[in-house]
Amino acid sequence: AQKVTQAQTEISVVEKEDVTLDCVYETRDTTYYLFWYKQPPSGELVFLIRRNSFDEQNEISGRYSWNFQKSTSSFNFTITASQVVDSAVYFCALSEEGSGGSNYKLTFGKGTLLTVNP
Amino acid sequence: DTGVSQNPRHKITKRGQNVTFRCDPISEHNRLYWYRQTLGQGPEFLTYFQNEAQLEKSRLLSDRFSAERPKGSFSTLEIQRTEQGDSAMYLCASSLGGLLTGELFFGEGSRLTVL
Repeated sequence: AQKVTQAQTEISVVEKEDVTLDCVYETRDTTYYLFWYKQPPSGELVFLIRRNSFDEQNEISGRYSWNFQKSTSSFNFTITASQVVDSAVYFCALSEEGSGGSNYKLTFGKGTLLTVNP
Repeated sequence: DTGVSQNPRHKITKRGQNVTFRCDPISEHNRLYWYRQTLGQGPEFLTYFQNEAQLEKSRLLSDRFSAERPKGSFSTLEIQRTEQGDSAMYLCASSLGGLLTGELFFGEGSRLTVL
């Protein structure tokens, strides 16, 4: 069965600190996709990144970077020079093939609440 | 606003009552998803539509739950004879194409409280 573990329930940092959010996944699929979403207090999940299982290159987008390591089944997310606006719940998710025959289901972790204090 | 719209945003009901939530996806999106999120948990998949066809229902959806997407446009999620365990945020999402090529856009959710 698919499983996503975000061991950090809550993290609190001071503005400008770097912070890494951990994500470990389990899957039997050879082809799969990993995602990170941000959920601000408004509740709307915002897509941040999608990474397929064949692409282990790290990715950087502004202050955000992602480290995908297939050997350890991890897909960690780092925010550099954190800002108050980064405060939110962050979810890691894994795609799953549904009974309809394509990858349309997401299995989410429990999320990490990040609080960035001024 | 051209995002995914959900109504009502909040619903408080008594146990045993029926409730219906509506989701209006982004207009050109052919795929629509419902997820449920309880406090302190990540969203859990409930069901998926491709156009008007409901292609999968999670085991989480008991017989009291029904979802429709007539004409492949808006969708409704009805819960009959609500129970306290149904209290959750119900999230709708839509996409153009599949997860692997398109982006999933979520609405702000409909929060249900069953007293």
